[in-house]
Amino acid sequence: GAVVSQHPSWVICKSGTSVKIECRSLDFQATTMFWYRQFPKQSLMLMATSNEGSKATYEQGVEKDKFLINHASLTLSTLTVTSAHPEDSSFYICSARDLSGQLSSPLHFGNGTRLTVT
Amino acid sequence: GQNIDQPTEMTATEGAIVQINCTYQTSGFNGLFWYQQHAGEAPTFLSYNVLDGLEEKGRFSSFLSRSKGYSYLLLKELQMKDSASYLCAVIWRQTGANNLFFGTGTRLTVIP
Repeated sequence: GAVVSQHPSWVICKSGTSVKIECRSLDFQATTMFWYRQFPKQSLMLMATSNEGSKATYEQGVEKDKFLINHASLTLSTLTVTSAHPEDSSFYICSARDLSGQLSSPLHFGNGTRLTVT
Repeated sequence: GQNIDQPTEMTATEGAIVQINCTYQTSGFNGLFWYQQHAGEAPTFLSYNVLDGLEEKGRFSSFLSRSKGYSYLLLKELQMKDSASYLCAVIWRQTGANNLFFGTGTRLTVIP
């Protein structure tokens, strides 16, 4: 079945530095990928929709200059957390749907990246 | 949020049956998914409903009533490994065919 690979699985960085997270669809092409954030004991919150070859669409309250998204190919989207602060510590998860894009086809999730900013 | 409501926590006994409910805003409804998420892991797909009725998959079943804006996930013959969060996610036409919005999730604890 469809597989989404996310890297790294976890990262610890110092406050003020930037962190890049990669999301790859391994056996299907994805014109659209989604980035979610999940704080402890809370549900997934959609941050942004990554569109291949065009600008990402950000949800209300998500700073586009802080969370840079690049979707340069049909199999790769990256999320860069710029100038990270401790409050950015969270579980970031990407997801994608097969290009066939049938409404019933589920989102496939990467394994997530646990970011800790010290 | 998008008005998706689920109970926050539930506890059930190994071997028993548990029903997890989800209610949502009906306007523009275009599909509902259930996902299972173990702590620290990504969600895994369980089921999809877009028409009224019951979808059965082994020990798990999901039900939908579009007119009532209501779904439930039914877990039978509970096992300890079923302890996880169960997420209800909905697609609405007005927010695009690809955007899933998640409820807060129901944390299920299975006890011996």
